[in-house]
Amino acid sequence: GAVVSQHPSRVICKSGTSVKIECRSLDFQATTMFWYRQFPKQSLMLMATSNEGSKATYEQGVEKDKFLINHASLTLSTLTVTSAHPEDSSFYICSARDRQGAAFGYTFGSGTRLTVV
Amino acid sequence: LAKTTQPISMDSYEGQEVNITCSHNNIATNDYITWYQQFPSQGPRFIIQGYKTKVTNEVASLFIPADRKSSTLSLPRVSLSDTAVYYCLVGESNAGNMLTFGGGTRLMVKP
Repeated sequence: GAVVSQHPSRVICKSGTSVKIECRSLDFQATTMFWYRQFPKQSLMLMATSNEGSKATYEQGVEKDKFLINHASLTLSTLTVTSAHPEDSSFYICSARDRQGAAFGYTFGSGTRLTVV
Repeated sequence: LAKTTQPISMDSYEGQEVNITCSHNNIATNDYITWYQQFPSQGPRFIIQGYKTKVTNEVASLFIPADRKSSTLSLPRVSLSDTAVYYCLVGESNAGNMLTFGGGTRLMVKP
């Protein structure tokens, strides 16, 4: 089946620095990828939709200048948390949609635990 | 996307059958019903998807009544490793829209 690789799985960074998270579709091409954020004991909240070759679409309340998304190829989307602060500490998860648009086409990465100290 | 309502939590014991019901009163004609499982610090994992009646795979069954306003995920003979959060999602998955997650059901399987 479709596999989405997310890296790193855990990262600790100092306040004010930037962190890049990668999301790769390993065995299929993904024209669309989604980025979610999940706080402890809460559900996944969609942050943005990443489209290959075009600008990402951000959900209301998500700062596009803080959460930079790049989807330069059909297999890679990156999320960069710029000038991270402790309140950005969270679990970030990406999801990729199979380019063929199959009904079962949503596959999730394993997530990235970001801790800002 | 149709909003879903699930119980916040459920408890069960090993070996029992667990049924988790999801309400989706505003489901549209083209919407599918999909269930995901999430373990702590992991991404959601696809369990099962259906449109109507009954769907069964190697891990679960999905029961959908004729009006499709609800669905029930059935996990046969649960084990401790089935302790997780289960999400019911409804949407036109073929349209490429994002998945909107509701609160999910936190299932605790006890020995």
